[in-house]
Amino acid sequence: KQEVTQIPAALSVPEGENLVLNCSFTDSAIYNLQWFRQDPGKGLTSLLLIQSSQREQTSGRLNASLDKSSGRSTLYIAASQPGDSATYLCAVRSPGENNDMRFGAGTRLTVKP
Amino acid sequence: DTGVSQDPRHKITKRGQNVTFRCDPISEHNRLYWYRQTLGQGPEFLTYFQNEAQLEKSRLLSDRFSAERPKGSFSTLEIQRTEQGDSAMYLCASSFSLSEKLFFGSGTQLSVL
Repeated sequence: KQEVTQIPAALSVPEGENLVLNCSFTDSAIYNLQWFRQDPGKGLTSLLLIQSSQREQTSGRLNASLDKSSGRSTLYIAASQPGDSATYLCAVRSPGENNDMRFGAGTRLTVKP
Repeated sequence: DTGVSQDPRHKITKRGQNVTFRCDPISEHNRLYWYRQTLGQGPEFLTYFQNEAQLEKSRLLSDRFSAERPKGSFSTLEIQRTEQGDSAMYLCASSFSLSEKLFFGSGTQLSVL
């Protein structure tokens, strides 16, 4: 059974700092991994999707990497802004997992002006 | 394309009442998912449809829960005889295929008093 862990649970940084969010998963046999952003009381917004054959994906100030063999993914946020404050969740889709995506509990990011 | 829509946004009900939520996925997406999320946790898979067929149900989905997707378009999730433990955010998501991004609605926040 796939398990997804995100560390740290919360992170506070000053505006302008570059930061890395971590996601680890227990079973390296995955279809893909997706990073989401969630604002309080809202649904999830898709940020980046990395297929199992890919090593990284980039969108603007965001870069996500995937190392299947070690069961890890990182989300790099460059030049952080107060508007980046949100909870960031990673989710893994795996074979034999009933077609669902298994989510981590998220990292709550606060970027201080 | 207006994204995934969920209705209502909020629902307050008394214990023992029945509630029904609606989800309208992105029109060309044939895969539709229901998730439940409690505070501080990632979403947990409930059930999944491919077109009108309900292909998977989580063990989390007790007999009081039922979901439908008539004609492979919108979906409804009904909870009968609600309990306080049912209080959560119910999220709907859709995708075109396993290898494509999962798009979420804004969710329905259920409070059972």
